[in-house]
Amino acid sequence: AQSVSQHNHHVILSEAASLELGCNYSYGGTVNLFWYVQYPGQHLQLLLKYFSGDPLVKGIKGFEAEFIKSKFSFNLRKPSVQWSDTAEYFCAVKYSGGGADGLTFGKGTHLIIQP
Amino acid sequence: EAQVTQNPRYLITVTGKKLTVTCSQNMNHEYMSWYRQDPGLGLRQIYYSMNVEVTDKGDVPEGYKVSRKEKRNFPLILESPSPNQTSLYFCASSPGTSKGELFFGEGSRLTVL
Repeated sequence: AQSVSQHNHHVILSEAASLELGCNYSYGGTVNLFWYVQYPGQHLQLLLKYFSGDPLVKGIKGFEAEFIKSKFSFNLRKPSVQWSDTAEYFCAVKYSGGGADGLTFGKGTHLIIQP
Repeated sequence: EAQVTQNPRYLITVTGKKLTVTCSQNMNHEYMSWYRQDPGLGLRQIYYSMNVEVTDKGDVPEGYKVSRKEKRNFPLILESPSPNQTSLYFCASSPGTSKGELFFGEGSRLTVL
């Protein structure tokens, strides 16, 4: 079965630190890749997405992610985090031909930014 | 405003008492889906629908039913809720050609005693 793995379940950083959250997916041919963010008490919102082209994609709020096909990875990065980035982050993959528009989600990374 | 609306947002119920969580989207999306979110397990798909009158099981469909009689609505039905269905539920939708991008509702927190 296709799967998505997020390396860290909990990450604690200080403000202004750099962030990298890992995401790996199992091989499944062509994929579309997403990062979603869930702020405390809120629903999931799209942070960024990759369909094709430049493997370095930029999203909202200064986030970016790099698709490395050879490593089946789509890591999320931010050079300098803020307290307001405290949230849960989910990596998601749409495998070609998989369940219409169904996404496979990772288990999430809970990010806490300390002031 | 484009949105996915779920009701109720919060519900406490007892084992065996049938309940329905409604989901409605105003974006004319073909695809709709239900997920449950549990600590340490992330989001797991319950059911999805590719269009009106077309529904299919996701990864964790046991104990749930859905229907898609209209394009905008996709209710989730728990015929006989049990405590292991205590969870946070999200409805999501997308246009048929979105390549997977989902638009989520606000979530419905359900507690079954």
